[in-house]
Amino acid sequence: QVQLQQWGAGLLKPSETLSLTCAVYGGSFNGYYWSWIRQPPGKGLEWIAEINHRGSTNYNPSLKSRVSISVETSKKQFSLKLSSVTAADTAVYYCARVLNYSSSPYFDYWGQGTLVTVSS
Amino acid sequence: QSALTQEASVSGTVGQKVTLSCTGNTNNIGTYAVAWYQQISHGAPKTVIFGNSLPSGIPDRFSGSKSGTTASLTISGLQPEDEADYYCSTWDNSIGAHVFGTGTKVTVL
Repeated sequence: QVQLQQWGAGLLKPSETLSLTCAVYGGSFNGYYWSWIRQPPGKGLEWIAEINHRGSTNYNPSLKSRVSISVETSKKQFSLKLSSVTAADTAVYYCARVLNYSSSPYFDYWGQGTLVTVSS
Repeated sequence: QSALTQEASVSGTVGQKVTLSCTGNTNNIGTYAVAWYQQISHGAPKTVIFGNSLPSGIPDRFSGSKSGTTASLTISGLQPEDEADYYCSTWDNSIGAHVFGTGTKVTVL
């Protein structure tokens, strides 16, 4: 059974950098893309970025200028950094595994979520 | 701005059949399979449908379909535990990104 466990700072001040890490337990790390998704309070889901074990990445165009995603394959971990945060970045952040089904990707395993609050 | 449009809310009684829709365009739903996620009380989302297949452990009252640029999730025989928010998602090749729907709140009356 695949489990994703995530952690990171939950309270940031405006202009600081958000940093989260997700560790994968069970199953293979190679051969998949690994994503970050967020959900502002009371709002819907927004995909942020993804990376595979080789370091190939895809980014949400609306966040690309502030986002950095990295991977440590030996530790089966991947990380997210979001710079220059504002109150609009307050959200629950999820990590997730991307599975390809008939050449169509979807998220099959999710982390527990981390609430990140940006406040002065 | 979400690329996929869903109804804001849908309701039904226990045992009723309800259908949720997810509308996109030729760059997303028209090309790729759609997944549906259930989110109960703001917990982590759970996949209930990918394409027209059910993940292990998901009751077979859930089914998915697609016609052109609109995907649908049908719950046949609504149960109290189905009360949740549901999001559709797929890939959009015009922006090279995963896109989500606006979400539908399902209420069991």
